[in-house]
Amino acid sequence: AQKITQTQPGMFVQEKEAVTLDCTYDTSDQSYGLFWYKQPSSGEMIFLIYQGSYDEQNATEGRYSLNFQKARKSANLVISASQLGDSAMYFCAMRDELLNSGGSNYKLTFGKGTLLTVNP
Amino acid sequence: EAQVTQNPRYLITVTGKKLTVTCSQNMNHEYMSWYRQDPGLGLRQIYYSMNVEVTDKGDVPEGYKVSRKEKRNFPLILESPSPNQTSLYFCASQFKGQKYEQYFGPGTRLTVT
Repeated sequence: AQKITQTQPGMFVQEKEAVTLDCTYDTSDQSYGLFWYKQPSSGEMIFLIYQGSYDEQNATEGRYSLNFQKARKSANLVISASQLGDSAMYFCAMRDELLNSGGSNYKLTFGKGTLLTVNP
Repeated sequence: EAQVTQNPRYLITVTGKKLTVTCSQNMNHEYMSWYRQDPGLGLRQIYYSMNVEVTDKGDVPEGYKVSRKEKRNFPLILESPSPNQTSLYFCASQFKGQKYEQYFGPGTRLTVT
């Protein structure tokens, strides 16, 4: 079974500073993917970044980067130069990447989220 | 624009009154799924579908039904809603295969009184 742990229920950061949101995971799968989603107060789930377990380089997407440490089973999200619009709930999720034709392991397993507040 | 749409976005209903939440995607995705989000519990999968006429249970299927008669649509049916089904519901879809992200719909906030 997969498990995602996000130990920070809430985080505060000053505008224009960088912030790291923690995510640790547990799985027996050999091949897996790690995802971060943003959920603003309006409720939608917005995909931010993906890291495959066999990817050699850490993923980056604009101001978002994923600090992937496989041996520590951590996949922290780093947001550089925080903006007021970054205030939201952030979810770490994982999925098996040896995907079967039946679809049973396409399910995303989510952590409980971290509420980020960016202060002006 | 590539998107997953859900309707309605908000719904208040009473116990026992059958309802359907629609989900449609325009990206030709094979895989579709329903999740519910509850405070302190995160997102949990209700049902999923890998193809037309192929559906299967997720982690919390009790009290729900789904159908997949067309590739683009995956409605969630609550035959007899109960207050414990008050939740935020998300439909998601993706292409078959590795490394593809799941696209989420905007969510449906359901209240059952």
